[in-house]
Amino acid sequence: AQSVTQLGSHVSVSEGALVLLRCNYSSSVPPYLFWYVQYPNQGLQLLLKYTSAATLVKGINGFEAEFKKSETSFHLTKPSAHMSDAAEYFCAVSDGGFGNEKLTFGTGTRLTIIP
Amino acid sequence: KAGVTQTPRYLIKTRGQQVTLSCSPISGHRSVSWYQQTPGQGLQFLFEYFSETQRNKGNFPGRFSGRQFSNSRSEMNVSTLELGDSALYLCASSFRQGNTGELFFGEGSRLTVL
Repeated sequence: AQSVTQLGSHVSVSEGALVLLRCNYSSSVPPYLFWYVQYPNQGLQLLLKYTSAATLVKGINGFEAEFKKSETSFHLTKPSAHMSDAAEYFCAVSDGGFGNEKLTFGTGTRLTIIP
Repeated sequence: KAGVTQTPRYLIKTRGQQVTLSCSPISGHRSVSWYQQTPGQGLQFLFEYFSETQRNKGNFPGRFSGRQFSNSRSEMNVSTLELGDSALYLCASSFRQGNTGELFFGEGSRLTVL
């Protein structure tokens, strides 16, 4: 069974500083990995996805993530934090394949931006 | 293109009642999934429908059920509500089965059980 672990339920960074949100996965098959963002009182929006193409994935709003098989990690980064990045971020895994739309989510990381 | 629409957005029920939530997927999307989000358990998969058939089911009791109509719209029902059913219920749609693509989420239906 697939699972993801997000290290740090709360992360605070200063505006303009590097954002690093950690995600480690466990999967018995080559995984598909996703990062979603959730703003207050809203649904989830896809930031980026890894589906076995390039290991460095670029997403929306300046975010990117690197798939590292040896470390079973898929950490999310952004070089310079903006106030609008304050939200909750979820890492998710799927083993993909026809007939499987199920995502397994991590517990989320709430990102706070300090002015 | 309209996004995923969920109704109602907010509702309050009492224990023992039942509730029906509705989800209209993005036009052309044939797969609809449902997730429950709570502070304690996070996001948990309920079930997924494709072409009016349930293709996947999470670990929820039989009180939780769903269906999909020929126009891909979906409903989920929770019977005999319990306090622990209070949650944000999120619907997501996608174009096809096989999760190499993106799930598009609605804003959710927030259920409070008193």
